[in-house]
Amino acid sequence: AQKVTQAQTEISVVEKEDVTLDCVYETRDTTYYLFWYKQPPSGELVFLIRRNSFDEQNEISGRYSWNFQKSTSSFNFTITASQVVDSAVYFCALSETYGGSQGNLIFGKGTKLSVKP
Amino acid sequence: DADVTQTPRNRITKTGKRIMLECSQTKGHDRMYWYRQDPGLGLRLIYYSFDVKDINKGEISDGYSVSRQAQAKFSLSLESAIPNQTALYFCATSVAGAYEQYFGPGTRLTVT
Repeated sequence: AQKVTQAQTEISVVEKEDVTLDCVYETRDTTYYLFWYKQPPSGELVFLIRRNSFDEQNEISGRYSWNFQKSTSSFNFTITASQVVDSAVYFCALSETYGGSQGNLIFGKGTKLSVKP
Repeated sequence: DADVTQTPRNRITKTGKRIMLECSQTKGHDRMYWYRQDPGLGLRLIYYSFDVKDINKGEISDGYSVSRQAQAKFSLSLESAIPNQTALYFCATSVAGAYEQYFGPGTRLTVT
């Protein structure tokens, strides 16, 4: 069965520190997609990134970077030089491409990041 | 801007009342979803619809029903609301084959 685990419930850092949010997933599918979403205090869910299971290249977007390692079933998210505006709950999610649940998102429980000035 | 909208944004209702949450989208996406979010539990799928005639139960459909009135509209109903249905409800949309979902702003529902 598919599952997403975000072991870090809450993380608190001081501005300008780097922080990594961990995500470990389980799936029997050979083709799948992984996602990160951001939920700021205002409550909306913002799509950050999609990665498919065949693309293990790391991705960088400004201060954000993502490390996908199939060997450890992990898709970790690093924020470099964190800022107060990064304070949010971050969700990792998995979508399978085969079977009855294909296309549905399975979410982790989220990691609440607090960045203090 | 193409968007996903939800009405109402906040609702307080009493136990036993019927309530409908509405979702509309201008993205032209064929797939629509309803999730609920509870503190510490992440988001859980209630129902999803791949097109107007295709509606499926998600992980936690008991106590809920849905209606896909058109490609752009997907409503969630609580036939007889109970306090443990107090939560933040999100509607989302996606395109077949794209997999990422785009979320509405959420409806905060309180059942007293």
